[in-house]
Amino acid sequence: GAGVSQSPRYKVAKRGQDVALRCDPISGHVSLFWYQQALGQGPEFLTYFQNEAQLDKSGLPSDRFFAERPEGSVSTLKIQRTQQEDSAVYLCASSRTGWGDNSPLHFGNGTRLTVT
Amino acid sequence: DAKTTQPPSMDCAEGRAANLPCNHSTISGNEYVYWYRQIHSQGPQYIIHGLKNNETNEMASLIITEDRKSSTLILPHATLRDTAVYYCIVRDRGDTDKLIFGTGTRLQVFP
Repeated sequence: GAGVSQSPRYKVAKRGQDVALRCDPISGHVSLFWYQQALGQGPEFLTYFQNEAQLDKSGLPSDRFFAERPEGSVSTLKIQRTQQEDSAVYLCASSRTGWGDNSPLHFGNGTRLTVT
Repeated sequence: DAKTTQPPSMDCAEGRAANLPCNHSTISGNEYVYWYRQIHSQGPQYIIHGLKNNETNEMASLIITEDRKSSTLILPHATLRDTAVYYCIVRDRGDTDKLIFGTGTRLQVFP
């Protein structure tokens, strides 16, 4: 079946521009996660949704980062006034059920954001 | 912070078993151990997870010590396509159930 799909695959933005990154989770998956991965590092957690509710945004690095999942399926990560330190791969993952179940996370291949 | 410790790199000959160790001495009783791998330019790929019993699937085997303070991921017949960064993760049992990644083990399979 179809996996987690992310678009665009690559994004180049000039410093100060706003960007929007899209995630299409596996159909019917309740939980959705966003991660940020800098070059040579492991992925770092940004935020978590259960259906349309954003239950954890503790990893968002600043108020320039905003995520939404209005209908409980597709999610968008928005970064306002991009800075060079925002350059990274942004990964989206989904899992079948909500908290307490040990269903594994399934990741997309990410969006590579380069801020010039 | 990640709750696991892994060697930064390992080598393995093609066709041989790759045994990747992981220490998780502070693991709690209800926390699962997960293994993922990441091949260059791809997202992390789920391999296997377990609580206290050994687990096996079509990709790998997971051996967890009786005290649960360490585990080993076994790839029984490594191929060149198994070259990747392997992450051992103790799943967070806080509000989110999120995975907290460390820096992983870079496994290089050579011919």
